[in-house]
This record gives sequence, C-alpha cells and structure tokens, in this order.
Amino acid sequence: DSGVTQTPKHLITATGQRVTLRCSPRSGDLSVYWYQQSLDQGLQFLIQYYNGEERAKGNILERFSAQQFPDLHSELNLSSLELGDSALYFCASSARDTQYFGPGTRLTVL
Amino acid sequence: QKEVEQDPGPLSVPEGAIVSLNCTYSNSAFQYFMWYRQYSRKGPELLMYTYSSGNKEDGRFTAQVDKSSKYISLFIRDSQPSDSATYLCAMRREYGNKLVFGAGTILRVKS
Repeated sequence: DSGVTQTPKHLITATGQRVTLRCSPRSGDLSVYWYQQSLDQGLQFLIQYYNGEERAKGNILERFSAQQFPDLHSELNLSSLELGDSALYFCASSARDTQYFGPGTRLTVL
Repeated sequence: QKEVEQDPGPLSVPEGAIVSLNCTYSNSAFQYFMWYRQYSRKGPELLMYTYSSGNKEDGRFTAQVDKSSKYISLFIRDSQPSDSATYLCAMRREYGNKLVFGAGTILRVKS
C-alpha cells in the first residue's frame, strides 16, 4: 500500500458527460501528480500541483482540469468526455526524489 | 522517436532464472531513474530508484545506470512466479517534475 488513495475505483459514463476523480496524497506529501495510462500511449503525465498551486503541465487536454485543496487532496475533472478518454487515471504524490502511485481510477466512456 | 524506449516483451523465463530488463533514453538531462512494477490493472509500485550513474542493490533486485550510453537495467535474481508483472522504467530531470515512462516490459515467470 503506497499510502495514496483514489476514488472511485471504476467509473462508467457516456460520451459528453463530466466526471470528477479524487486523490488523497500520502501523509506529509505536498505534491500531487496526475497521469493517464492508455494501451496505445502508455503512462503520460498530465499535471502537477504543489501545496495548492499548479506547478507543471503535461499533455493535458483543455477539457480536463485539476485542483488541489487546502487539505492537499486533489481532484481531476474531465468534461465533454469522448470514447478515447477511456483509460486508467493515476494520482501520485512525492516528498522529494520520487513518486508513489495510487491504485488508479478506471474510466470507461461508452 | 520516443524519449524512453523499452521493449514491451513479453519476456518469458523459467522460475529461478536471472531476468534482465532494459531501457534506453535520448535526453541526457535525465538524472533520476526508477523502476516500477505494475500488476494487471493496479497502480505502479516503486521498486528501485537511482540518482545519476551507478548500481544499486535491494534484495533480489539490482538497478544499473550507464549515463554515457543512456542505458538503464534492472536485474532480478532467482525470479519467482510472483514477479510476473509489467516492469516500467521511468526517469526525470534534476529539477523536473514529470516522470517520463517507458512502454513497460511484460514479464512472465513460469513455475
């Protein structure tokens, strides 16, 4: 158990809908990272927050947004969902040199 | 060309074999190198991390980094069926944030 928690484990929704994925980092970690894992693209970095502020952006679509709250949990919002957004979404947290991943949320868009 | 190349396998070995997993990369700015293990549909689990060049050993696992060749390896000794998983290499720059992952190698250890 990495100490990073994510909810929900599974999400099934329809195209055009909006969903919210939630992540709680390890105790004491200030940084939260979001990654997307799909069969064709592998694990891709989306965005990082540090102590409530956006710190780095990767290949994140404009339809996606994230935020980190004062209690350090983070939410990833995905809107206008398309079939191609079906993937595993992971959250990771770090204190210094490396990152520890949560169990992921599996999103299926029908 | 991808920044990190990793043979997807699958790699199939008998129980007790020594396994060698490798990645090559193109960005000389990478300084932190990690290996993650991922069981089917689970989150990646950190196995080893190394800063810059050199070797690091932890139990049955040894990580090697050769920055001059832009080549990293993970060796697993006395492999077990429970080692069957996907192994992902990942790396980042000194002051970077994001991890760049290889595609992952599927390992199957047969009993």
